[in-house]
Amino acid sequence: AQSVTQLGSHVSVSEGALVLLRCNYSSSVPPYLFWYVQYPNQGLQLLLKYTTGATLVKGINGFEAEFKKSETSFHLTKPSAHMSDAAEYFCAVSDLGTNAGKSTFGDGTTLTVKP
Amino acid sequence: NAGVTQTPKFRVLKTGQSMTLLCAQDMNHEYMYWYRQDPGMGLRLIHYSVGEGTTAKGEVPDGYNVSRLKKQNFLLGLESAAPSQTSVYFCASRPMSSYEQYFGPGTRLTVT
Repeated sequence: AQSVTQLGSHVSVSEGALVLLRCNYSSSVPPYLFWYVQYPNQGLQLLLKYTTGATLVKGINGFEAEFKKSETSFHLTKPSAHMSDAAEYFCAVSDLGTNAGKSTFGDGTTLTVKP
Repeated sequence: NAGVTQTPKFRVLKTGQSMTLLCAQDMNHEYMYWYRQDPGMGLRLIHYSVGEGTTAKGEVPDGYNVSRLKKQNFLLGLESAAPSQTSVYFCASRPMSSYEQYFGPGTRLTVT
């Protein structure tokens, strides 16, 4: 069975500071990994994804994440936080070719950006 | 191209009442999913469908039923609402060729 753990349900940073949101996963097969962002009162939007190939993936709004198989991690980073980055972020894992491609989501991390 | 839409956006039910939530997608996606989102619990899969006419149970299916009579629509029914079903419900879809999901804006349901 696959699972996702997001360390820290709330993260607070100052505007211009580094953003680091942590995600660890478990999967019995090579995973597809995703980060989604949810702004207040909206649905989730895809931020970035890792499928195969390059382990450092870039997404929208200046975010990037690195797949580290040895650490079973997929942490999300952004060099300089902006006020508009305040949202809830979800890490997700999908097993390939099984279970109808269902994704398992972490519990989410709420990012607060202080001026 | 509207993507994934959900109807209604808000609803208040009394315990024991029934209702149906409608999800529609115009992207010709094969797979569709219903989730509920509760504070601190992320998204939990209720039911899903791998194609028209097929449905399957997810992680938390009790108290819900679904139907997918048309490829573009996925209905979620509550037969007898309970306060524990107060939640925000999200529908999502994806194509066969990709594992990323496209989400609707959500339905906020309160059961009193």
